[in-house]
Parts: sequence; C-alpha cells; structure tokens
Amino acid sequence: DAKTTQPPSMDCAEGRAANLPCNHSTISGNEYVYWYRQIHSQGPQYIIHGLKNNETNEMASLIITEDRKSSTLILPHATLRDTAVYYCIVRVLYNFNKFYFGSGTKLNVKP
Amino acid sequence: DGGITQSPKYLFRKEGQNVTLSCEQNLNHDAMYWYRQDPGQGLRLIYYSQIVNDFQKGDIAEGYSVSREKKESFPLTVTSAQKNPTAFYLCASQDSVLLGANNEQFFGPGTRLTVL
Repeated sequence: DAKTTQPPSMDCAEGRAANLPCNHSTISGNEYVYWYRQIHSQGPQYIIHGLKNNETNEMASLIITEDRKSSTLILPHATLRDTAVYYCIVRVLYNFNKFYFGSGTKLNVKP
Repeated sequence: DGGITQSPKYLFRKEGQNVTLSCEQNLNHDAMYWYRQDPGQGLRLIYYSQIVNDFQKGDIAEGYSVSREKKESFPLTVTSAQKNPTAFYLCASQDSVLLGANNEQFFGPGTRLTVL
C-alpha cells in the first residue's frame, strides 16, 4: 500500500492561501489521492480527491504532480474555521476500499 | 437529514466491563467501518463490513466484536479483552464498494470512550 508523508504542522494567516503538501512516491497507477480534514473531536470530513488531473471544488483545489509522486491541497482563502488536521490518503482499490489515515498535518490559521 | 449517527458522544466504563457503541446510517450505504483514534494520531481500522451479515477484521480487531444484522446498523462492542480501550471511536459508511475509488467515506461524530 502506498504511504503518504505530510509535515506535522503548518501555520497560515487568515485570508491567505494555505498550501498543504503530501508526498506519495510509491503510489501506483490506479490509486487515487484523497484529502480529508478533522476538526478537533469531530469525525473526518471529505474535501477532495483526484487521480492525475488537477481538481477544484467549492472547498479546495488539488494539484497533483505529473509523476503523481506528490500533491498539494490548496485552501484559497483560509479562515479560522479551517484550523484542523488535514489527512492525505492514497486509496487502496483492491483492499475493500479501506482508507489508511496517517498522522496528517495540523493547520493553524492565525488572525 | 441523511447521515451517520453515533451514540453516546461520551462513554465511561469500568475496567473489565463490555460496552457497545452504536452506529446508524440512513444513507443506504453498503459498507460500514469502525476506526479507533488515539490522541495526536491518525485513524486505525478495527472492523469493516461490505454487506449485511458479513464483516472482516481490520488492523486492530483484537478485543473488539461487531455485528451487521441490518444495513443501517453496525454496532461495535469493546470487550474486557481490549487492554487499552480508552480512545475516540469513529464509524464511517460508504456507498457500494463495487463502484470503485470515487466513493468517499462519510464519518459519524465519534464516541469518546474512557475506561475508569
């Protein structure tokens, strides 16, 4: 199973873009990249996912490098409510769709 | 509103007692999952079920048991055999696993279990 590496924490000023990196150098061709976030003591919330093309939705943008070995989640205008732990997950297709959550990145949005 | 509910939100148990955590979903999802989260760490899979009357062990199933008698319900029992049960427990559901990787998991609000 492909593993992911994320920095343990990041700071971002309110109103600025938050760029959260993720390395997944062993990702295979049929594995997707998913991003979730978890606000303290709540269940994780789905943000976005992609295979190889860049994706955008109302919450965020996902940029995946051409070799697919890394990706970046972009929150274009971070707010205090975006303070959370962000998980980058590589989806294991053949393993009953289990999600493997690592330690994630704690994003601190500051006023 | 469609979603996943877990009850109770906080649960206290005496050492040596079994306790059952509830998870209900009205999303008509086939698959359901139980995760455990310890402070400052990611989620670890306990059990999962792809379909009614079937379930599989996850990575840390020892000391836990589940049942899946109804599509909408997937209760988790923490038995006295679980040596360190104090943790945050999360239930999730997902649409048909047969449809592939585009189906994200939806999570409940979690139950925080404390063993006294």
